[in-house]
Amino acid sequence: GQNIDQPTEMTATEGAIVQINCTYQTSGFNGLFWYQQHAGEAPTFLSYNVLDGLEEKGRFSSFLSRSKGYSYLLLKELQMKDSASYLCAFTGGGNKLTFGTGTQLKVEL
Amino acid sequence: DGGITQSPKYLFRKEGQNVTLSCEQNLNHDAMYWYRQDPGQGLRLIYYSQIVNDFQKGDIAEGYSVSREKKESFPLTVTSAQKNPTAFYLCASVDIPSSGNTIYFGEGSWLTVV
Repeated sequence: GQNIDQPTEMTATEGAIVQINCTYQTSGFNGLFWYQQHAGEAPTFLSYNVLDGLEEKGRFSSFLSRSKGYSYLLLKELQMKDSASYLCAFTGGGNKLTFGTGTQLKVEL
Repeated sequence: DGGITQSPKYLFRKEGQNVTLSCEQNLNHDAMYWYRQDPGQGLRLIYYSQIVNDFQKGDIAEGYSVSREKKESFPLTVTSAQKNPTAFYLCASVDIPSSGNTIYFGEGSWLTVV
């Protein structure tokens, strides 16, 4: 079957760095997405990893290890507006798009 | 502009009623998805469709039904069999799911049972 797991919530300080982990299990795997979602809104795209390694995009970076079924999202220079839910998701067999439960990040002063 | 449109934004359902949520896209996408989101939770897959006239059950399909008669449209019906339908519903579409291309989301529909 398919399974995806990430921490429920995290708290970090403005200006700091935070890493949000995601582990997954699936029989078929194409790639892994990270999305940001503010309450009551649609998710917005952050990154997509297909190959192992780190993809950097401004303050956000995403890492993937296919052999370990593991990914993380790294947020640098945290800002108050980064307070949101962060969802990892993967496309597996049959183009099924599965999301994790989301990590609620709270950025404090 | 191309995009994906969900309607209505807010919907109230009485006990025992079926209601239908609309999802329309003009992006020429083959794949479309319906998700349910409860407060503080992630997105749970209800149904998805890869091509016209074909769809598959997701993880929580019980009490829901869909159709895909046209490429642009993927309506979701919440039936009376769904005992706890109050939630935020999101529709999404993408051209090739395995490509990493942008997944487009509708703005969501809030369904409340009264």
